[in-house]
Amino acid sequence: EAGVVQSPRYKIIEKKQPVAFWCNPISGHNTLYWYRQNLGQGPELLIRYENEEAVDDSQLPKDRFSAERLKGVDSTLKIQPAELGDSAVYLCASRYPGQGFGEQFFGPGTRLTVL
Amino acid sequence: LAKTTQPISMDSYEGQEVNITCSHNNIATNDYITWYQQFPSQGPRFIIQGYKTKVTNEVASLFIPADRKSSTLSLPRVSLSDTAVYYCLVGGSGNTGKLIFGQGTTLQVKP
Repeated sequence: EAGVVQSPRYKIIEKKQPVAFWCNPISGHNTLYWYRQNLGQGPELLIRYENEEAVDDSQLPKDRFSAERLKGVDSTLKIQPAELGDSAVYLCASRYPGQGFGEQFFGPGTRLTVL
Repeated sequence: LAKTTQPISMDSYEGQEVNITCSHNNIATNDYITWYQQFPSQGPRFIIQGYKTKVTNEVASLFIPADRKSSTLSLPRVSLSDTAVYYCLVGGSGNTGKLIFGQGTTLQVKP
């Protein structure tokens, strides 16, 4: 079974530039999450989707961050414009319906560096 | 969601059993305890989940005392490849999947 796929794996941009991250969850996993992980910290949730609906985006900085999951499968997270403090690893995770809440499958992440 | 406290770091040697204890004093009745492992440049990986007493799988064991205010992840006979960060998380099955990660415990296994 293929795991969660994320691209790109690394991205270096200058501040004020836009950037987008893509995630393809495991087939059949209706729930999709985006996390941000700062260096030396645990991941923190940005947004959760149930199919194509964003059901928890309370932690998403909506002034510059946006996300979409138009067909309820793959998802894109965008930052525009990027700031120096956005440098982090952006992780995507998915979960199968009915699976215990704790068992999420994470992708390898996208490491963003903002110069 | 209940806050967890775990040691920042631990050292061990190959072949030893490692026990990582997590405190969660304000755990709620419907909260489960979940542990994740994370290697550098990878996303976290689910290890084990439990509610009470003992849970064992092919990777680890999870011990939860009767009061459930703490839990211990036990890794038998660790190898160098078990060097990673281990996260303890607490939450309820009804919270629709929100995980709150702490800083985790960095385990360093030495030869």
